[in-house]
Amino acid sequence: AQSVTQLDSQVPVFEEAPVELRCNYSSSVSVYLFWYVQYPNQGLQLLLKYLSGSTLVKGINGFEAEFNKSQTSFHLRKPSVHISDTAEYFCAAIIQGAQKLVFGQGTRLTINP
Amino acid sequence: DTAVSQTPKYLVTQMGNDKSIKCEQNLGHDTMYWYKQDSKKFLKIMFSYNNKELIINETVPNRFSPKSPDKAHLNLHINSLELGDSAVYFCASSQGILQETQYFGPGTRLLVL
Repeated sequence: AQSVTQLDSQVPVFEEAPVELRCNYSSSVSVYLFWYVQYPNQGLQLLLKYLSGSTLVKGINGFEAEFNKSQTSFHLRKPSVHISDTAEYFCAAIIQGAQKLVFGQGTRLTINP
Repeated sequence: DTAVSQTPKYLVTQMGNDKSIKCEQNLGHDTMYWYKQDSKKFLKIMFSYNNKELIINETVPNRFSPKSPDKAHLNLHINSLELGDSAVYFCASSQGILQETQYFGPGTRLLVL
């Protein structure tokens, strides 16, 4: 069965430090990958998505992610975080042939001053 | 302008009651979804409608019944509410399915006592 695994449930970092949020998916077929962000008490908002083409995807708010097919990973990165990046981050995937978005467990990013 | 709106935002009710959550999108999208987010923040799809036709119906108890009167609305009716139904319910919409970005509403926080 398809699944999306976010390896860290919580990631604390200091302001202006770099961050990487890890995501792996289990599939050997084509896949569409997404990162969504959920700010406190709000709905989800798309950060970026990978459909095809360049494996490095740039998104909003300075985030980027790299699709690595051999490692079945889609890690999210930001070179310098701000307090306002404090949120829950969800990796998600649509496996070709399925018609639904499957979410990872989420990673809570906490920025400390 | 709110793209995807849900009412009510909060819902506190007794076990056994019947309640409805409404969702409306003004994006002109043809596909709408209901997701459930549990207390551990895990998100799972419940239903999906495309052009008012049900296309995804996950293993959800039949106490949950979605209704799509038109492409802009997808309501969720829940009969005989149980304690385990307590969660945050998110509505979302997209233009088409698969790789299209989903736009989420702010969520409805349901508490069953």
